[in-house]
Amino acid sequence: RKEVEQDPGPFNVPEGATVAFNCTYSNSASQSFFWYRQDCRKEPKLLMSVYSSGNEDGRFTAQLNRASQYISLLIRDSKLSDSATYLCVVKSPWAGGYNKLIFGAGTRLAVHP
Amino acid sequence: NAGVTQTPKFQVLKTGQSMTLQCAQDMNHEYMSWYRQDPGMGLRLIHYSVGAGITDQGEVPNGYNVSRSTTEDFPLRLLSAAPSQTSVYFCASSYSYSRGSYTEAFFGQGTRLTVV
Repeated sequence: RKEVEQDPGPFNVPEGATVAFNCTYSNSASQSFFWYRQDCRKEPKLLMSVYSSGNEDGRFTAQLNRASQYISLLIRDSKLSDSATYLCVVKSPWAGGYNKLIFGAGTRLAVHP
Repeated sequence: NAGVTQTPKFQVLKTGQSMTLQCAQDMNHEYMSWYRQDPGMGLRLIHYSVGAGITDQGEVPNGYNVSRSTTEDFPLRLLSAAPSQTSVYFCASSYSYSRGSYTEAFFGQGTRLTVV
């Protein structure tokens, strides 16, 4: 079983739609959670962190459910420029007192006119 | 702002050849890592370093070596290239990854490697 699992999509939505992505993680000792965005043939970039109480950044809302080990990302009023792959990322304990980032395989979003 | 710089951007190797992927960061980050990205697999950690002179293996280290002689540079060496190493490689850096701390991971632009 993968440590971080995401629906690969693609999610094809019209401009203005609301779309939600989900992610589950297997390690209950995971400490921090993030969404990264990756454009086609580009490097991943941090979109937002995910806090236990839920957090918003403009049109983006992230939620965390530690009991169910589940993370979500909601995008409202989708724009063409939101088309990308969204990576669910979890920071988990690793050897020597350090942590590692574990990446989901990503969910592809295509927003059309 | 340079951030994380990876070279080369593209490379084709023959099976058995060796090469070094270069990675440099100018943010004085403590932590650097190498990932490979394959379709449907997500990014997988190859090797990481928590500071100059300190490296360790990630999830998929076989066939790769690293060293960290300076804070800025973290090269990845392919010892004897195999077709299974065809992938996109990303170098990343962040200020610190000690327990209890979080900082954003910054990625280089990636190296697309094909082994024939």
